[in-house]
Amino acid sequence: NAGVMQNPRHLVRRRGQEARLRCSPMKGHSHVYWYRQLPEEGLKFMVYLQKENIIDESGMPKERFSAEFPKEGPSILRIQQVVRGDSAAYFCASSLTGTDTQYFGPGTRLTVL
Amino acid sequence: KNEVEQSPQNLTAQEGEFITINCSYSVGISALHWLQQHPGGGIVSLFMLSSGKKKHGRLIATINIQEKHSSLHITASHPRDSAVYICAVYNAGNMLTFGGGTRLMVKP
Repeated sequence: NAGVMQNPRHLVRRRGQEARLRCSPMKGHSHVYWYRQLPEEGLKFMVYLQKENIIDESGMPKERFSAEFPKEGPSILRIQQVVRGDSAAYFCASSLTGTDTQYFGPGTRLTVL
Repeated sequence: KNEVEQSPQNLTAQEGEFITINCSYSVGISALHWLQQHPGGGIVSLFMLSSGKKKHGRLIATINIQEKHSSLHITASHPRDSAVYICAVYNAGNMLTFGGGTRLMVKP
């Protein structure tokens, strides 16, 4: 059973471009969470999704950030018009139920030039 | 004040030493995770616990719900245990709130 997959592992964007980060949860998991780790800082919750639904997006910046988890395919975290402050590691986690152990992906390291 | 506090922030030990990392939280929780993150690497879930004690190999995690405190112990520490150890709690909803992490270095 493959673990949580994230791609790309490393992403470089120039200011103003769009970044798309993908997360494929573990097989059978329908709960997906996105977290951000800024340089030299701790992890922070961004958004919690179930298939086709955003359950909690209280940690998402109000502008430029969006997330989806369609019926088919991976969850996508989209950052429009990236700025240098968006440079961070973005981790996805999945769980079988909403109160179960969360399994983390390897992360996507976004660098904005 | 952060909702989840870890101590110490940094810890250096000699190989073979017994290590304890502490986590205190100020909110009601349903469960607590201990996570391990290697430099530049991904995050591994070590334990999820809501009461008592769990053991896996040389790792032991305990939690005291009344005192809002958890500890992670490493017995017979090894240089490969060097990593950042992160405590995270489930409080409202299903999202995790994270401590700042404890950076552990085990010297041979």
